[in-house]
Amino acid sequence: KNQVEQSPQSLIILEGKNCTLQCNYTVSPFSNLRWYKQDTGRGPVSLTIMTFSENTKSNGRYTATLDADTKQSSLHITASQLSDSASYICVVSVPTDKLIFGTGTRLQVFP
Amino acid sequence: GAVVSQHPSWVICKSGTSVKIECRSLDFQATTMFWYRQFPKQSLMLMATSNEGSKATYEQGVEKDKFLINHASLTLSTLTVTSAHPEDSSFYICSARDPLTSGIAYNEQFFGPGTRLTVL
Repeated sequence: KNQVEQSPQSLIILEGKNCTLQCNYTVSPFSNLRWYKQDTGRGPVSLTIMTFSENTKSNGRYTATLDADTKQSSLHITASQLSDSASYICVVSVPTDKLIFGTGTRLQVFP
Repeated sequence: GAVVSQHPSWVICKSGTSVKIECRSLDFQATTMFWYRQFPKQSLMLMATSNEGSKATYEQGVEKDKFLINHASLTLSTLTVTSAHPEDSSFYICSARDPLTSGIAYNEQFFGPGTRLTVL
């Protein structure tokens, strides 16, 4: 069964600190892996997209890694800001355009 | 970047009425659009895939007669929730794929801002 699991479910950090979110997937066949940021009451916004041949991709303070062998990905947020408070969703795409969504990690950044 | 809009952003309706939600790709032509539903603290669930000029493909468990999808042009898809009931209250999100900017490896989908439906 195609599944995407994320941890932790929720995370609270202080402004300025770094954090890492985890994603494990059991999806086959695999097309690409994406990380999205979803603010409350808004649609998801893409942060990074990686194919199986890409190990890391950065977007500003966001850096995603992918280990296709162990089927694990992480999203590292550097020097967190209050505006980083959101849900972060790991999504794995299969070749048919279907997206398999993770359950998300809810991040709260406090001053 | 590609922009997808939805209208309305929120709607409140009485039980038994029908509600139409629009999804537009503003700066690209989308042959394929997707409709998702998201309940509080849950992830997005795909309801149906909408292809321009043809019938939508619904996911298992989604009633096609209740959730009518029309993709009449390359920039507009509509979702009509017919005879809405309180259990249909949810956050509805559409996405669109831009075939010109998405490489085969990425087939990126761009999401709309969502529509909050509340059925009283």
